[in-house]
Amino acid sequence: GQNIDQPTEMTATEGAIVQINCTYQTSGFNGLFWYQQHAGEAPTFLSYNVLDGLEEKGRFSSFLSRSKGYSYLLLKELQMKDSASYLCAFLNTGGFKTIFGAGTRLFVKA
Amino acid sequence: EAQVTQNPRYLITVTGKKLTVTCSQNMNHEYMSWYRQDPGLGLRQIYYSMNVEVTDKGDVPEGYKVSRKEKRNFPLILESPSPNQTSLYFCASSLSGRNTEAFFGQGTRLTVV
Repeated sequence: GQNIDQPTEMTATEGAIVQINCTYQTSGFNGLFWYQQHAGEAPTFLSYNVLDGLEEKGRFSSFLSRSKGYSYLLLKELQMKDSASYLCAFLNTGGFKTIFGAGTRLFVKA
Repeated sequence: EAQVTQNPRYLITVTGKKLTVTCSQNMNHEYMSWYRQDPGLGLRQIYYSMNVEVTDKGDVPEGYKVSRKEKRNFPLILESPSPNQTSLYFCASSLSGRNTEAFFGQGTRLTVV
């Protein structure tokens, strides 16, 4: 079957670094996405990984290990506006079906 | 401005009364998709479309219909809504659906009583 897991909630301090983990199980894999979703708003794209390794984009980085079925999103220099849900999602074989995790709610405190 | 537009944003309806939620994109994207989002379950894909007149089921298609007669529009139809379809619905589009980012509409909060 297909499964994707990520922690329900995390809390971190402004200015710190936080790592949000995501593990998945699937028989077919075509890449992994991270989206950010503020309360009451639509998800917005953060990153896409299809090869193993780290992709860096400003304060946000995303890592993928296909052999381990594991990804993480790293947020540096946390700001209050980073308080949001972070959604991990993978594309199945064929690349047309997207499976989302339930999301991780991140609270950034002063 | 590049965007995905859903209407209505909020809807309260009664069980069994047919409704349509519209979705339109102005980016000439081939791929469009509908999701529902429920607390603790995350986004679940209802239907998707790879191009005009090409649609397929996602993970939770029961009780829903879609059509793709034009590239820009992808309406979601609930022929006989039931209370378990109360949810937050998102439409999304992407260039090809494969390794390209999805752009989401603002969401439609549907309540079926």
